[in-house]
Amino acid sequence: KAGVTQTPRYLIKTRGQQVTLSCSPISGHRSVSWYQQTPGQGLQFLFEYFSETQRNKGNFPGRFSGRQFSNSRSEMNVSTLELGDSALYLCASSLATSGNTIYFGEGSWLTVV
Amino acid sequence: GDSVTQMEGPVTLSEEAFLTINCTYTATGYPSLFWYVQYPGEGLQLLLKATKADDKGSNKGFEATYRKETTSFHLEKGSVQVSDSAVYFCALSVQDGSARQLTFGSGTQLTVLP
Repeated sequence: KAGVTQTPRYLIKTRGQQVTLSCSPISGHRSVSWYQQTPGQGLQFLFEYFSETQRNKGNFPGRFSGRQFSNSRSEMNVSTLELGDSALYLCASSLATSGNTIYFGEGSWLTVV
Repeated sequence: GDSVTQMEGPVTLSEEAFLTINCTYTATGYPSLFWYVQYPGEGLQLLLKATKADDKGSNKGFEATYRKETTSFHLEKGSVQVSDSAVYFCALSVQDGSARQLTFGSGTQLTVLP
């Protein structure tokens, strides 16, 4: 079956703009989470959604937001982009049961100039 | 809070050498443990996992055993190949109530030379 799909794969934005990234989870997975990967900070948890509700949020400013739709697809938005937001943004999905594997998409590469 | 400490890299080995990447953790609950691998320009792929003490995860010749007494989950492979060159991440997940998230180590860059 299809894996986690993220779009777009690559994008370049200007400081101050906003960006929306999209994620389609594996069929049947209702938990979707987002991570930011940078060379300096490594992999950091942004937030997790389940049944259209945000269940957990990492330590990121309010410029970072997300949502989940009734079909479990998710979007994340970053407003007022800063140079430091340049990163690989990874979406992951899982069954919402303890011990189940979290599967990752290939990520969206965001460059802020 | 939860944390994962991973062996510092980069690690460079010759083909067919033995690989060990150390990973230790601290967790407030009873975690599941994972190794993920990231090839250049790609996302994360699950390599193996273990969900309870003394479980051994294995895949593609890689192994790791969940050691609760030493809070460790070291990754090993008996004979590495050039194609194993990648970044390896140790991670844990503690399901706190209904929320799930992974806490990652800093990653270990492995380069295997022919």
